[in-house]
Amino acid sequence: NAGVMQNPRHLVRRRGQEARLRCSPMKGHSHVYWYRQLPEEGLKFMVYLQKENIIDESGMPKERFSAEFPKEGPSILRIQQVVRGDSAAYFCASSPDRVGEQYFGPGTRLTVT
Amino acid sequence: GQQVMQIPQYQHVQEGEDFTTYCNSSTTLSNIQWYKQRPGGHPVFLIQLVKSGEVKKQKRLTFQFGEAKKNSSLHITATQTTDVGTYFCAGRKGQNFVFGPGTRLSVLP
Repeated sequence: NAGVMQNPRHLVRRRGQEARLRCSPMKGHSHVYWYRQLPEEGLKFMVYLQKENIIDESGMPKERFSAEFPKEGPSILRIQQVVRGDSAAYFCASSPDRVGEQYFGPGTRLTVT
Repeated sequence: GQQVMQIPQYQHVQEGEDFTTYCNSSTTLSNIQWYKQRPGGHPVFLIQLVKSGEVKKQKRLTFQFGEAKKNSSLHITATQTTDVGTYFCAGRKGQNFVFGPGTRLSVLP
């Protein structure tokens, strides 16, 4: 059973471009969380999705950020018109239910130049 | 809103010494999870505690959940260099989890 997959692992974007981060949860997991982590800091919750539904997006900026988890395919975190402050590691985690342990992917390191 | 704090922020120990990190929440938690993140890696789930006063052990690691379900601790006995990393607690808040800032452990051989 493959673990949580994220791609790309590293992404470099110029200011104003779009960043698209993908997360494939573990097989059988329908719950996906996205977190952002700055160097030497903790994990900041962004959004929680369950197949085709956004359950909680309270941690995600209202502008430029969006997330989806379609019926088929990976979950996608989309950042439009990136700015330098968006540079961070973005982790997704999947879970078999809404209260269980979370299995994290390797993360996408986004650098905005 | 709910806050989850951890102390200490950093801990340096000599190999073989014990280590404890503490997690405190401003509100009662329905459950608490602990994760370990190695430098450059991703968080890895260690354990989940649900019951008031619960104590769980994993080899040299002992996890406790406070009676009031507002605090938790992780204790490592006789640390080894493989214990190096940042230990995070995460408390459930509504539909999602709030992570503490982590305790970074370094172990000197």
